[in-house]
Amino acid sequence: QQPVQSPQAVILREGEDAVINCSSSKALYSVHWYRQKHGEAPVFLMILLKGGEQKGHDKISASFNEKKQQSSLYLTASQLSYSGTYFCGTAPGGGADGLTFGKGTHLIIQP
Amino acid sequence: AAGVIQSPRHLIKEKRETATLKCYPIPRHDTVYWYQQGPGQDPQFLISFYEKMQSDKGSIPDRFSAQQFSDYHSELNMSSLELGDSALYFCASSPIYPGQGQGTQYFGPGTRLLVL
Repeated sequence: QQPVQSPQAVILREGEDAVINCSSSKALYSVHWYRQKHGEAPVFLMILLKGGEQKGHDKISASFNEKKQQSSLYLTASQLSYSGTYFCGTAPGGGADGLTFGKGTHLIIQP
Repeated sequence: AAGVIQSPRHLIKEKRETATLKCYPIPRHDTVYWYQQGPGQDPQFLISFYEKMQSDKGSIPDRFSAQQFSDYHSELNMSSLELGDSALYFCASSPIYPGQGQGTQYFGPGTRLLVL
């Protein structure tokens, strides 16, 4: 079952913050966040494993609520380079399970 | 740092032809995944291999097959190509940490397939 991402699109001014949400109707083992620019490969941002952890690096962080089967990606003080489509990918188990991606959130950062 | 290598980067085929896409994972990664991404869509998981054995299967058509070789590279074979097979095909690789669950999937640059 495909996770649901919200919002579908966001337009921000440089320096503003954004939150992207990802929810699933199935129990999750892990949530993976990627950013993709047009015509390029998805770039890994972070992985959260079940255990309700929060991770972050630089101005990008994420949380994973295992009970609610939800994850959120937080972008603070956004930069022009943050523009792109953000995908969450979910996996019901560990090992070499393929990811089921949400439909993506389009983020546009304006100067 | 070494990344996933995919070849060819671009491929043009006619309907009903066959195509073979190749993927060379990051060194010391033993798991390979294949994804298909249509224009404006999210990546769709096709199939994965761990230690040369098929591990997980997604929405891979019966016309497609894949395998992982002893050097861990993988090939996706596509036969009887249809117009709808036109897409970006990504390979991703990850290390599997025993007892620690799923590793991060690092995507290659993709192969853009156009079926005419």
